[in-house]
Amino acid sequence: EDQVTQSPEALRLQEGESSSLNCSYTVSGLRGLFWYRQDPGKGPEFLFTLYSAGEEKEKERLKATLTKKESFLHITAPKPEDSATYLCAVNYAGNNRKLIWGLGTSLAVNP
Amino acid sequence: DAGVIQSPRHEVTEMGQEVTLRCKPISGHDYLFWYRQTMMRGLELLIYFNNNVPIDDSGMPEDRFSAKMPNASFSTLKIQPSEPRDSAVYFCASRPGLSGQETQYFGPGTRLLVL
Repeated sequence: EDQVTQSPEALRLQEGESSSLNCSYTVSGLRGLFWYRQDPGKGPEFLFTLYSAGEEKEKERLKATLTKKESFLHITAPKPEDSATYLCAVNYAGNNRKLIWGLGTSLAVNP
Repeated sequence: DAGVIQSPRHEVTEMGQEVTLRCKPISGHDYLFWYRQTMMRGLELLIYFNNNVPIDDSGMPEDRFSAKMPNASFSTLKIQPSEPRDSAVYFCASRPGLSGQETQYFGPGTRLLVL
C-alpha cells in the first residue's frame, strides 16, 4: 500500500539543540516530496519541494534532504518560533495529481 | 495576493443542519482541493477540481457531502445533513496548472463543530 510515515510523532527540543525529522514513503515513481509547516489554528504553509534523490534545499535553520526511500528535515539550532507541526506529502506517478500526506511531527522548542 | 480565502472560519451547528463552507482560490490557479483534517486521520483529500470541473471525488465520505465550483474564483463544500462525526477542520487549497508546479497553497481552514 502506498503510504507516507513520519517520525517521531512528537519531539521536544531545547533551544539550540539540533535534530532531524523523518518522512519515509513507499510509492513508486516519485514526482515530488513536499514539506509543510502548520501552526495551531492555521493552514499548512509550504516549505520545500524535493524531486530527486540527492537533492537538498535550505531555508534559514531548516534543511531538507531526499533519498530514494525517505526525506529528512534537519533543524539546526532551533528557536522557540520553530515550534509547529511539520507535515510531509508525496506526489507520485499514477496518483492523478493527488498528494498522500503523513500525520506530521509535532515539534516543541523550549527556551 | 490575498492567498486562499475561506469562510466561515468557525462554524457550530446542530446535528441534521445543513453546512456550507466557502473557498476563494488564488487568482490564476487552475486546481482547487478540499481537505478534511482530524487528529486521528490527518489530512484527507475529499475532492479536487481542475478548471472548475470535478476530477476526483473518491475521498468524499458519503452522499451527504457535495462540492461545486461554479466559476474559477469560488467553490463550496456542503454537508447535508450534518452529523457529529463531521466535526473537523476543513481546508481548501489551490495550485497553478503548469506541469511541475505541484505545490498546493492552503487557506486558513474552517473549524466545524457539529453538536
